[in-house]
Amino acid sequence: DTGVSQNPRHKITKRGQNVTFRCDPISEHNRLYWYRQTLGQGPEFLTYFQNEAQLEKSRLLSDRFSAERPKGSFSTLEIQRTEQGDSAMYLCASGARQQFFGPGTRLTVL
Amino acid sequence: QQQVKQSPQSLIVQKGGISIINCAYENTAFDYFPWYQQFPGKGPALLIAIRPDVSEKKEGRFTISFNKSAKQFSLHIMDSQPGDSATYFCAASPMTTDSWGKLQFGAGTQVVVTP
Repeated sequence: DTGVSQNPRHKITKRGQNVTFRCDPISEHNRLYWYRQTLGQGPEFLTYFQNEAQLEKSRLLSDRFSAERPKGSFSTLEIQRTEQGDSAMYLCASGARQQFFGPGTRLTVL
Repeated sequence: QQQVKQSPQSLIVQKGGISIINCAYENTAFDYFPWYQQFPGKGPALLIAIRPDVSEKKEGRFTISFNKSAKQFSLHIMDSQPGDSATYFCAASPMTTDSWGKLQFGAGTQVVVTP
């Protein structure tokens, strides 16, 4: 499969715990994006990488959120001290103008 | 604030009918306008996209119409099929180098095609 993959697909956690999601982009894509989607809404931009450099972060990305793309390949998104408001689908996309999305990680914070 | 406004929120169309979804934007820096289709539990999938130098683009049963002066664009789904039942999102991204590719999405339109 040469598409964007994300793991895990589902994550249930208790408030206050830390969670980490992984995204494996399409191999030849330099740009990688993270979005968050809540029920009934369109995806909202969180951050993006050009190779290993994180170039922009949305105001939605509080200091509890951190993203990395250490070797310009896969990326991780970590949320520390999760809150119930963090419950959402976290989507990863790679590409430039034409972005290809992964299946997402659905996070539920109890 | 939502930079791309999408309507309607939902629509029901009979099989064989035409589905029309509209979007409007304010930011004149936007220069790329894609439409995505999303099924429940899946990530969005790119359907069709347009640049502002073109007023219409057609791919199969899907057509984008673009009105640069009105800052509006729309998706037409011709001969709608039950398999088209999904949520459709319009989006836009700017031409500036730093924000290139950063997509701003509309709120989505849930389309139901009845047999």
